Amino acid sequence: EDQVTQSPEALRLQEGESSSLNCSYTVSGLRGLFWYRQDPGKGPEFLFTLYSAGEEKEKERLKATLTKKESFLHITAPKPEDSATYLCAVPNQAGTALIFGKGTTLSVSS
Amino acid sequence: DAGVTQSPTHLIKTRGQQVTLRCSPISGHKSVSWYQQVLGQGPQFIFQYYEKEERGRGNFPDRFSARQFPNYSSELNVNALLLGDSALYLCASSSEQRRQETQYFGPGTRLLVL
Repeated sequence: EDQVTQSPEALRLQEGESSSLNCSYTVSGLRGLFWYRQDPGKGPEFLFTLYSAGEEKEKERLKATLTKKESFLHITAPKPEDSATYLCAVPNQAGTALIFGKGTTLSVSS
Repeated sequence: DAGVTQSPTHLIKTRGQQVTLRCSPISGHKSVSWYQQVLGQGPQFIFQYYEKEERGRGNFPDRFSARQFPNYSSELNVNALLLGDSALYLCASSSEQRRQETQYFGPGTRLLVL
């Protein structure tokens, strides 16, 4: 069964304290891995798509990387406005749905 | 450009009632998907529609139904509401129906069932 697991569930950082979020997946024939940011009560906001092992993408303080079994979202020198829940997702085999992890809730304090 | 829009933003219903949620995709997008998100969980897939046809259905009871219109907008209907249907309902659109297509989400409709 296709599955996505994110860790940790919650992460508290001080402003400027870099860290990484993990997303591990068990799917056959990966066809992309998606990272989203979700603020409370809002819809997920698209961040990155990664398609193949070794691929990296960056946006401001965020960098996403992909291996054959997992993806990392690295946050460098975070600011309070980076506080949100970060979701990762993979497509199901039929391409009809995204399978999401439960997310990592990041809190950055100044 | 306008993103995915959903209406209403909030809704309060009582058990046994019926509800209709609406979604307009990004202009030019032909695929619309619906997800349910309960507090503390990731979104769970309900339906995908592409070119007005149902292309996928998640593990939800028959009380849930949806349709897509010629202009690619979509409605999600839920009958005989239960307390457990309280959730954030998300609509997402993509340009095509391929596994690697990025899905863009709307702001969601918050449904509370009393």
